[in-house]
Parts: sequence; C-alpha cells; structure tokens
Amino acid sequence: DIVMTQSPDSLAVSLGERATINCKSSQSVLNSSNNKNSIAWYQQKPGQPPKVFIYWASTRESGVPDRFSGSGSGTDFTLTISGLQAEDVAVYYCQQYQSTPFTFGPGTKVDIK
Amino acid sequence: QLQLQESGPGLVKPSETLSLTCTVSGGSITNNNYYWGWIRQPPGKGLDWIASIYYSGIIYYNPSLKSRVTISVDPSKNQFSLKLTSVTAADTAVYYCARHFGDSSAWQRFDMWGQGTMVTVSP
Repeated sequence: DIVMTQSPDSLAVSLGERATINCKSSQSVLNSSNNKNSIAWYQQKPGQPPKVFIYWASTRESGVPDRFSGSGSGTDFTLTISGLQAEDVAVYYCQQYQSTPFTFGPGTKVDIK
Repeated sequence: QLQLQESGPGLVKPSETLSLTCTVSGGSITNNNYYWGWIRQPPGKGLDWIASIYYSGIIYYNPSLKSRVTISVDPSKNQFSLKLTSVTAADTAVYYCARHFGDSSAWQRFDMWGQGTMVTVSP
C-alpha cells in the first residue's frame, strides 16, 4: 500500500496570510500513461463530505477559488492557500489514486489565528 | 445534477452484518468509465477507502477489509451496495458512497460524494 503522510497536523494562520500543507507518499505516484502525479486534495468541513479541490496534484476543480493551488511531484506535494479566508477553515486531506488501495493522508486542520 | 444518497440502518449489533445502499440520481450508474465506491470515516478520524465497483461488475477491494466486504451493483435500480460482515465497534463510522473515473491504468479523484450515513456498532 502507498502510505500518505501530512504535515503539520494542524496550523493556524491569520486572515489573508498563506497556509501551506505538505503531503508525502511512500512511493512515486507518477502515472506513466499521462506523466501526471495521481494526487488529489480534499476539503472537509464538519458534518459534510469531503470535496475535491485539486487533482493531478495541481489542477484546480471547477469552481474552486484560485487562492488554492497544488504543487509537487514524485513523492512530495503541497497545498497552498494564498490569502486565507474565514470560509477556508476545514480539514484538508491528500489522497493518492495511482493504485489500489486508494489511500488518504491523516488530514491537516486549518484554523484562523 | 448527479446526486448520491446512502441508506441503511444506523445501528448494527456486534458480529452482525452491516448493509448499506447508495442510490444514484440525476445520471446513470452505467456511464462509461465511472466507478462507484465506498469510503468510511470513523468519528474524529481520517478517510479509508473500502471498495469500488464498475456497473459491469468489475470490483476492487481494500485488502485490509476484503475478507469481510462485498460490494455489488444493480444497474436496473441505479444503485450499488455494501455488505460488511462480523462487525465490531471498530467499524463504527460515517460511510460515504462516491464516484470516481478511470480504470486500473489511470484512476482519478473521487469527484462526487454522498452526504454520508453514520453507522454505530453497539449491542
């Protein structure tokens, strides 16, 4: 299984400041058929299902604000929120879909400082 | 607008079988290249993928649960289902059904989710 880790476990950022979440996979998640990294980022608010924000490591889902960006390759990936807004308070999960079993990171809780 | 809705008992006794159904509306479960899966989330914890199925019956299971899990699909009802046998308190979780695109050469993200249903395992 590909093990996903995230850091930090939680972070508090001032409104308008940058939040950075790191995700690491235990092995490469590069898809050789399209040369893309099979990483998705989800936002989950209390009582709601996860919502995909980023896929293929850096492609923003339709309707997601452009302050959210994903980067990285190989085994190291980052989700950046540039200019944190109050509505961004949530838990963020990374997920690999390169191979089954699909696996998720443990989550990073983002709060307002 | 595609929607997924989980249904099933909210309380299951230890050692019994958990049975859930996901009803897909606003679209067909037989859409090419879409898989339908189950993911669970224990209270206060992270997300665990359980299994996925294609409308033709191709199935992928998480090996950690494979011995206890059965996923099935009923295209005529636009539904797919999950059975988990011999449940314990560790199976207490919110169970989500979700959709994802792809196949074994190129999977994709879970792009549509149900609201989730809480299942508690307790005597």
